[in-house]
Amino acid sequence: DAKTTQPTSMDCAEGRAANLPCNHSTISGNEYVYWYRQIHSQGPQYIIHGLKNNETNEMASLIITEDRKSSTLILPHATLRDTAVYYCIGRSGGSNYKLTFGKGTLLTVNP
Amino acid sequence: DTGVSQNPRHKITKRGQNVTFRCDPISEHNRLYWYRQTLGQGPEFLTYFQNEAQLEKSRLLSDRFSAERPKGSFSTLEIQRTEQGDSAMYLCASSLREENSYEQYFGPGTRLTVT
Repeated sequence: DAKTTQPTSMDCAEGRAANLPCNHSTISGNEYVYWYRQIHSQGPQYIIHGLKNNETNEMASLIITEDRKSSTLILPHATLRDTAVYYCIGRSGGSNYKLTFGKGTLLTVNP
Repeated sequence: DTGVSQNPRHKITKRGQNVTFRCDPISEHNRLYWYRQTLGQGPEFLTYFQNEAQLEKSRLLSDRFSAERPKGSFSTLEIQRTEQGDSAMYLCASSLREENSYEQYFGPGTRLTVT
């Protein structure tokens, strides 16, 4: 699975968009980009994933660059409950097991 | 609540004792995973089951660790002769083996403290 690099921490004002970057320059053609988050004292929670195209669901949007070397997770209207550690994970398609987590980005949403 | 439950939520034990944790996955999920998370780190994969078969074990899973999933339902993770380095959060997750099933649903974890 691809190595990913994320900033250690970020701050965002409540109600504003939170843009979380991730570098995955070694990602291979069949590897998806997954995002999970972990709120304090809880297990990780799936957010979104994508391969080439931008994706959107009820939680977030995922923007993947054309060369697939980086991506951005967008929380359009951050709330205090979005304060969490966000993990960007590169994962081979079809291998539905073994998520390889890094240290992630601690997003703090401030009132 | 994801539907994955883990018991106990907290366990304090003395070094050298054996401990066992239980995970109850979402009932229709045929894949079950164990991860370990230490302070300030992301979760690390330990092992995974498809139904009752244990298909992969991480090198992190030393001989003191054993996991089972009898009848492909709940799973147990046992640590024998615990060491202080075993102190961590132990997370269980489950998923469906389907082509478009990408989500792993995590339980709340069992926090182990070895004194």
